[in-house]
Amino acid sequence: DADVTQTPRNRITKTGKRIMLECSQTKGHDRMYWYRQDPGLGLRLIYYSFDVKDINKGEISDGYSVSRQAQAKFSLSLESAIPNQTALYFCATSTGGYTGELFFGEGSRLTVL
Amino acid sequence: AQSVTQLGSHVSVSEGALVLLRCNYSSSVPPYLFWYVQYPNQGLQLLLKYTSAATLVKGINGFEAEFKKSETSFHLTKPSAHMSDAAEYFCAVSDIQAGTALIFGKGTTLSVSS
Repeated sequence: DADVTQTPRNRITKTGKRIMLECSQTKGHDRMYWYRQDPGLGLRLIYYSFDVKDINKGEISDGYSVSRQAQAKFSLSLESAIPNQTALYFCATSTGGYTGELFFGEGSRLTVL
Repeated sequence: AQSVTQLGSHVSVSEGALVLLRCNYSSSVPPYLFWYVQYPNQGLQLLLKYTSAATLVKGINGFEAEFKKSETSFHLTKPSAHMSDAAEYFCAVSDIQAGTALIFGKGTTLSVSS
């Protein structure tokens, strides 16, 4: 089983719908992240969390919210999806420290029609 | 603020040829730099990282990168490309403002032809 698991892997939805992407990890890491990948733009940080009580906005948090339900679980929500939120979303974890490696899930591809 | 710039969104090489993927960084403090690889339909995995120890960093699958402060560069190289190296490669720098998050470049797609 993967250390960082994202569900769903693929989702097609309509404009205005509420969507939740879930991430769970078995690595025991405190720090978790949500990134968005768009072709030609690389990965951009949406939200990050250092522990259950510490959640921070990233570069592109507008239109998104998150919930850290437990050390191992970090969910990303789109309250009212719009087409320009069509993207590949990645969850990642790390042990912390500036030299620490990020460990990524396999991604959740979201299409908003 | 830190940033990285990857020069060239697409690089094509022949099998057995040298691979060179370029990355320049901007940072007001000594940077911690990373290269990640993304194979089709997969997440990102770490190739190598520079953390202010040796300036020449060796990674997995025969890749290496050299940190050059005078050129603000951290280019990724491999002496001999293999078909299995075809993937998207991302350069990244630690974001001091966002804890330990990484700031990624826009990526370079490497194609390898036989």
